[in-house]
Amino acid sequence: TVMTQSPATLSVSPGERATLSCRASQSVGSNLAWYQQKSGQAPRLLIYDVSSRATGIPARFSGSGSGTEFTLTISSLQSEDFAIYYCQQYYNWPTSGQGTRLENK
Amino acid sequence: QVQLVESGGGVVQPGRSLRLSCAASGFTFSSYGMQWVRQAPGKGLEWVAVISYHGSNTYYEDSVKGRFTISRDNSKNTLYLQMNSLRVEDTAVYYCAKRPSGKSWYGDYWGQGTLVSVPS
Repeated sequence: TVMTQSPATLSVSPGERATLSCRASQSVGSNLAWYQQKSGQAPRLLIYDVSSRATGIPARFSGSGSGTEFTLTISSLQSEDFAIYYCQQYYNWPTSGQGTRLENK
Repeated sequence: QVQLVESGGGVVQPGRSLRLSCAASGFTFSSYGMQWVRQAPGKGLEWVAVISYHGSNTYYEDSVKGRFTISRDNSKNTLYLQMNSLRVEDTAVYYCAKRPSGKSWYGDYWGQGTLVSVPS
């Protein structure tokens, strides 16, 4: 299953809302996770099962969607949120998108 | 707290072998499936191998089948990845990641990774 993320780069100011998209080449049901990765660090799980926040993840992060179209929303960007975000499906052999770089506008 | 520490990476010539290790602590290692995920420079995440909590079931991405072997020693709380016949395209940071309870194949905790470089 090919995962396609858009946009490749998103420029947003602190305090604003960021919306990141992820599309699957076939339905993955609710088997969708989101990760945050900062430079030189390991990925950190944010969201699993489309909309469930992982342990310790702030409420400003939310996930939605089903089937082939998914969205990660960050309601009010904080300085520490600027990073690369990946979606990953686990309906079949796990695959991830190429990432969306969220940068400070 | 959950901690995963990878080791064993390095520079290796094409066709040679390397064994990665991942030392786990802070959770009951023998109760959780584990996986190896790699990331080539500037690329996304690529799942390489997955193993069940007891080690009896293993799964591989097509490009590494027959070359890589995932295993675990629950008495030592350690996960392994034996990599043979290495290729230039295997160059990446290799992460071990814990799977959550149940059957889902995402990573809820990740190590810091170990770099494997196979120069051309």
